[in-house]
Amino acid sequence: GDSVTQTEGQVALSEEDFLTIHCNYSASGYPALFWYVQYPGEGPQFLFRASRDKEKGSSRGFEATYDKGTTSFHLRKASVQESDSAVYYCALGFPSSGSWQLIFGSGTQLTVMP
Amino acid sequence: EAAVTQSPRNKVAVTGGKVTLSCNQTNNHNNMYWYRQDTGHGLRLIHYSYGAGSTEKGDIPDGYKASRPSQENFSLILELATPSQTSVYFCASGGPGLGSSYEQYFGPGTRLTVL
Repeated sequence: GDSVTQTEGQVALSEEDFLTIHCNYSASGYPALFWYVQYPGEGPQFLFRASRDKEKGSSRGFEATYDKGTTSFHLRKASVQESDSAVYYCALGFPSSGSWQLIFGSGTQLTVMP
Repeated sequence: EAAVTQSPRNKVAVTGGKVTLSCNQTNNHNNMYWYRQDTGHGLRLIHYSYGAGSTEKGDIPDGYKASRPSQENFSLILELATPSQTSVYFCASGGPGLGSSYEQYFGPGTRLTVL
């Protein structure tokens, strides 16, 4: 079946470091790809989406490019801040009844130290 | 602002007992979803609904029932709770409604402990 793999369970950085969180997917069709962020005590919230090959999604300084060739959607940020500490989820989705049917990866805990 | 609320926020139940988790959304979204979140598994879909009166099985429906009595409300029911159902449960809504986004909006979660 369709699946999403996030290889890093935890990432620890210092402020102003460069961030990369890896996301690879396996899907039988042509999914949209998503990043969600979850702050402590809250539900996940949508960060951005890309729907086609080579499309870049971005929000709040984070970005990722849909790469169908390598089946990847890696999250990057040039300079992280302590406030970016959160759990990041990569997901794939197919349109369904006016919204998206999502399959999530296992999540990556990002900790940014001042 | 899209809004999804869940109650209770925390629940302790006994094995074999019945548990009902409630979700309310004011986004006028057609679709609603129940997920559970476990370390190492991320978010997994339990049940979802396309509208009032409809429920569909997600990826891990065993041991759970769902009810959608209205556009705004979606409940998750554990008829016979087991310790393996200890988890954090999230409700979400999605679809055409308030605003132009079709993304899923999540509630704050319910932490369920089954002893």
